[in-house]
Amino acid sequence: KNEVEQSPQNLTAQEGEFITINCSYSVGISALHWLQQHPGGGIVSLFMLSSGKKKHGRLIATINIQEKHSSLHITASHPRDSAVYICAATNTGNQFYFGTGTSLTVIP
Amino acid sequence: DAGITQSPRHKVTETGTPVTLRCHQTENHRYMYWYRQDPGHGLRLIHYSYGVKDTDKGEVSDGYSVSRSKTEDFLLTLESATSSQTSVYFCAISEYRTGEAFFGQGTRLTVV
Repeated sequence: KNEVEQSPQNLTAQEGEFITINCSYSVGISALHWLQQHPGGGIVSLFMLSSGKKKHGRLIATINIQEKHSSLHITASHPRDSAVYICAATNTGNQFYFGTGTSLTVIP
Repeated sequence: DAGITQSPRHKVTETGTPVTLRCHQTENHRYMYWYRQDPGHGLRLIHYSYGVKDTDKGEVSDGYSVSRSKTEDFLLTLESATSSQTSVYFCAISEYRTGEAFFGQGTRLTVV
Protein backbone atom coordinates (compact mmCIF):
# COMPACT_ATOMS: atom_id res chain seq x y z
CA LYS A 1 0.00 0.00 0.00
CA ASN A 2 1.31 3.44 -0.93
CA GLU A 3 1.71 5.92 1.85
CA VAL A 4 0.45 8.65 -0.48
CA GLU A 5 -2.49 8.13 -2.83
CA GLN A 6 -3.55 10.58 -5.52
CA SER A 7 -6.67 10.81 -7.60
CA PRO A 8 -7.47 10.94 -10.37
CA GLN A 9 -4.52 9.41 -12.22
CA ASN A 10 -5.49 11.15 -15.44
CA LEU A 11 -7.64 14.21 -15.97
CA THR A 12 -8.75 15.99 -19.13
CA ALA A 13 -10.44 19.36 -18.87
CA GLN A 14 -11.64 22.11 -21.15
CA GLU A 15 -9.90 25.44 -20.92
CA GLY A 16 -11.50 27.57 -18.23
CA GLU A 17 -12.72 24.69 -16.07
CA PHE A 18 -12.10 24.43 -12.35
CA ILE A 19 -9.86 21.46 -11.54
CA THR A 20 -9.35 19.53 -8.33
CA ILE A 21 -6.68 16.94 -7.63
CA ASN A 22 -6.86 14.99 -4.41
CA CYS A 23 -4.18 13.49 -2.19
CA SER A 24 -4.57 11.23 0.83
CA TYR A 25 -1.72 10.10 3.03
CA SER A 26 -1.34 7.53 5.76
CA VAL A 27 1.95 8.59 7.37
CA GLY A 28 2.60 11.20 10.00
CA ILE A 29 3.83 14.26 8.21
CA SER A 30 5.61 17.50 8.90
CA ALA A 31 4.62 18.95 5.52
CA LEU A 32 2.74 18.21 2.32
CA HIS A 33 4.15 19.31 -1.03
CA TRP A 34 2.54 19.81 -4.39
CA LEU A 35 4.92 19.49 -7.32
CA GLN A 36 4.50 20.15 -11.04
CA GLN A 37 6.31 18.44 -13.88
CA HIS A 38 5.84 19.42 -17.52
CA PRO A 39 6.55 16.75 -20.14
CA GLY A 40 10.27 16.15 -20.38
CA GLY A 41 10.86 18.81 -17.80
CA GLY A 42 12.14 19.27 -14.31
CA ILE A 43 10.12 19.16 -11.12
CA VAL A 44 8.92 22.45 -9.70
CA SER A 45 7.69 22.89 -6.15
CA LEU A 46 4.31 24.67 -6.16
CA PHE A 47 3.34 24.57 -2.50
CA MET A 48 4.48 23.35 0.86
CA LEU A 49 1.71 23.07 3.46
CA SER A 50 1.54 22.03 7.05
CA SER A 51 -1.93 23.41 7.73
CA GLY A 52 -4.75 25.42 6.20
CA LYS A 53 -4.63 26.85 2.73
CA LYS A 54 -2.22 28.58 0.37
CA LYS A 55 -2.88 30.45 -2.86
CA HIS A 56 -0.57 31.41 -5.68
CA GLY A 57 -2.19 32.96 -8.71
CA ARG A 58 -4.79 30.52 -10.03
CA LEU A 59 -3.52 27.69 -7.85
CA ILE A 60 -4.91 26.91 -4.41
CA ALA A 61 -3.74 24.15 -2.08
CA THR A 62 -5.55 23.02 1.04
CA ILE A 63 -4.80 20.47 3.71
CA ASN A 64 -6.93 18.84 6.40
CA ILE A 65 -4.57 17.33 8.96
CA GLN A 66 -7.29 15.45 10.84
CA GLU A 67 -8.52 13.75 7.67
CA LYS A 68 -5.00 13.34 6.23
CA HIS A 69 -6.14 14.84 2.97
CA SER A 70 -4.95 17.61 0.68
CA SER A 71 -6.35 19.10 -2.50
CA LEU A 72 -4.85 21.14 -5.30
CA HIS A 73 -7.28 23.38 -7.15
CA ILE A 74 -6.69 25.17 -10.43
CA THR A 75 -9.14 27.92 -11.29
CA ALA A 76 -9.74 29.04 -14.89
CA SER A 77 -7.53 26.26 -16.25
CA HIS A 78 -5.32 26.96 -19.26
CA PRO A 79 -3.50 24.66 -21.69
CA ARG A 80 -0.19 25.68 -20.13
CA ASP A 81 -1.40 24.01 -16.91
CA SER A 82 -1.08 20.66 -18.71
CA ALA A 83 1.47 18.74 -16.68
CA VAL A 84 1.85 15.99 -14.13
CA TYR A 85 1.03 17.08 -10.58
CA ILE A 86 2.67 15.14 -7.79
CA CYS A 87 1.71 15.10 -4.14
CA ALA A 88 4.52 14.39 -1.69
CA ALA A 89 4.51 14.07 2.09
CA THR A 90 7.57 14.63 4.25
CA ASN A 91 8.03 13.25 7.72
CA THR A 92 10.03 14.74 10.59
CA GLY A 93 13.11 12.96 9.25
CA ASN A 94 12.84 14.89 5.97
CA GLN A 95 11.96 11.71 4.10
CA PHE A 96 9.65 12.08 1.13
CA TYR A 97 6.72 9.86 0.22
CA PHE A 98 5.49 10.51 -3.30
CA GLY A 99 2.17 9.91 -4.95
CA THR A 100 2.21 8.46 -8.44
CA GLY A 101 1.08 11.73 -9.97
CA THR A 102 -1.95 13.08 -11.81
CA SER A 103 -1.54 13.73 -15.51
CA LEU A 104 -3.57 16.81 -16.44
CA THR A 105 -4.42 17.79 -20.00
CA VAL A 106 -6.25 21.06 -20.61
CA ILE A 107 -7.80 21.30 -24.05
CA PRO A 108 -8.18 24.72 -25.69
CA ASP B 1 14.78 29.97 -8.81
CA ALA B 2 16.41 27.77 -6.20
CA GLY B 3 20.10 27.16 -6.69
CA ILE B 4 20.22 23.51 -7.64
CA THR B 5 21.82 22.22 -10.80
CA GLN B 6 22.41 18.77 -12.17
CA SER B 7 25.08 17.75 -14.63
CA PRO B 8 25.13 16.39 -17.16
CA ARG B 9 21.56 16.89 -18.35
CA HIS B 10 21.78 14.07 -20.87
CA LYS B 11 24.16 11.14 -21.15
CA VAL B 12 24.42 8.02 -23.24
CA THR B 13 26.83 5.42 -22.00
CA GLU B 14 27.72 1.81 -22.69
CA THR B 15 26.91 -1.13 -20.46
CA GLY B 16 29.68 -1.80 -17.98
CA THR B 17 31.11 1.71 -17.89
CA PRO B 18 31.16 3.85 -14.74
CA VAL B 19 29.05 6.99 -14.71
CA THR B 20 28.95 9.87 -12.25
CA LEU B 21 26.13 12.38 -11.99
CA ARG B 22 26.58 15.60 -10.09
CA CYS B 23 24.15 17.65 -8.06
CA HIS B 24 25.25 21.10 -6.97
CA GLN B 25 23.36 23.44 -4.65
CA THR B 26 23.93 26.99 -3.54
CA GLU B 27 21.19 26.99 -0.86
CA ASN B 28 23.30 25.43 1.93
CA HIS B 29 20.52 22.91 2.60
CA ARG B 30 21.42 19.99 4.82
CA TYR B 31 19.51 17.23 3.04
CA MET B 32 20.23 16.09 -0.50
CA TYR B 33 18.59 13.23 -2.37
CA TRP B 34 18.95 11.22 -5.55
CA TYR B 35 15.81 9.78 -7.12
CA ARG B 36 15.11 7.90 -10.29
CA GLN B 37 11.89 8.34 -12.21
CA ASP B 38 10.55 5.55 -14.38
CA PRO B 39 7.17 5.12 -16.07
CA GLY B 40 4.76 3.35 -13.76
CA HIS B 41 6.99 3.76 -10.71
CA GLY B 42 7.06 7.46 -9.99
CA LEU B 43 9.99 8.82 -8.01
CA ARG B 44 12.04 6.27 -6.09
CA LEU B 45 14.77 7.11 -3.63
CA ILE B 46 18.27 5.85 -4.47
CA HIS B 47 20.38 7.45 -1.75
CA TYR B 48 20.20 10.51 0.41
CA SER B 49 22.53 12.60 2.53
CA TYR B 50 21.86 14.38 5.80
CA GLY B 51 25.20 16.12 6.00
CA VAL B 52 28.77 16.09 4.75
CA LYS B 53 29.98 12.49 4.64
CA ASP B 54 26.61 11.33 6.06
CA THR B 55 24.66 9.25 3.58
CA ASP B 56 22.16 6.43 3.65
CA LYS B 57 20.50 4.04 1.23
CA GLY B 58 17.07 4.37 -0.26
CA GLU B 59 14.73 1.74 -1.66
CA VAL B 60 16.59 1.21 -4.96
CA SER B 61 20.24 1.61 -3.97
CA ASP B 62 21.68 -1.55 -5.53
CA GLY B 63 24.26 -0.69 -8.19
CA TYR B 64 24.63 2.92 -7.01
CA SER B 65 26.99 4.70 -4.65
CA VAL B 66 27.11 8.30 -3.50
CA SER B 67 29.52 10.74 -1.96
CA ARG B 68 29.18 14.09 -0.30
CA SER B 69 32.49 15.68 0.58
CA LYS B 70 31.12 19.24 0.57
CA THR B 71 27.76 20.66 1.58
CA GLU B 72 27.07 21.85 -1.95
CA ASP B 73 27.85 18.72 -3.94
CA PHE B 74 26.22 15.28 -3.95
CA LEU B 75 27.57 12.78 -6.46
CA LEU B 76 25.80 9.67 -7.69
CA THR B 77 27.97 6.95 -9.22
CA LEU B 78 26.90 3.95 -11.23
CA GLU B 79 29.92 1.69 -10.78
CA SER B 80 29.13 -0.45 -13.82
CA ALA B 81 26.12 0.81 -15.74
CA THR B 82 23.41 -1.64 -16.80
CA SER B 83 20.47 -1.19 -19.15
CA SER B 84 18.09 -1.34 -16.17
CA GLN B 85 19.65 1.91 -14.97
CA THR B 86 18.37 3.77 -18.01
CA SER B 87 16.17 6.36 -16.36
CA VAL B 88 15.69 10.00 -15.53
CA TYR B 89 17.57 10.95 -12.38
CA PHE B 90 16.49 13.81 -10.14
CA CYS B 91 18.38 15.46 -7.37
CA ALA B 92 16.51 17.24 -4.59
CA ILE B 93 17.48 19.37 -1.63
CA SER B 94 15.59 19.99 1.57
CA GLU B 95 16.01 22.52 4.35
CA TYR B 96 16.15 20.79 7.73
CA ARG B 97 14.11 23.23 9.81
CA THR B 98 11.40 24.27 7.39
CA GLY B 99 11.18 21.21 5.14
CA GLU B 100 11.32 23.48 2.09
CA ALA B 101 12.34 21.39 -0.91
CA PHE B 102 13.65 22.00 -4.40
CA PHE B 103 14.28 19.65 -7.27
CA GLY B 104 16.78 19.71 -10.07
CA GLN B 105 16.02 19.68 -13.78
CA GLY B 106 16.82 15.99 -14.13
CA THR B 107 19.46 13.96 -15.95
CA ARG B 108 18.33 11.63 -18.70
CA LEU B 109 20.67 8.64 -18.71
CA THR B 110 20.59 6.00 -21.41
CA VAL B 111 22.66 2.85 -21.04
CA VAL B 112 23.13 1.00 -24.34
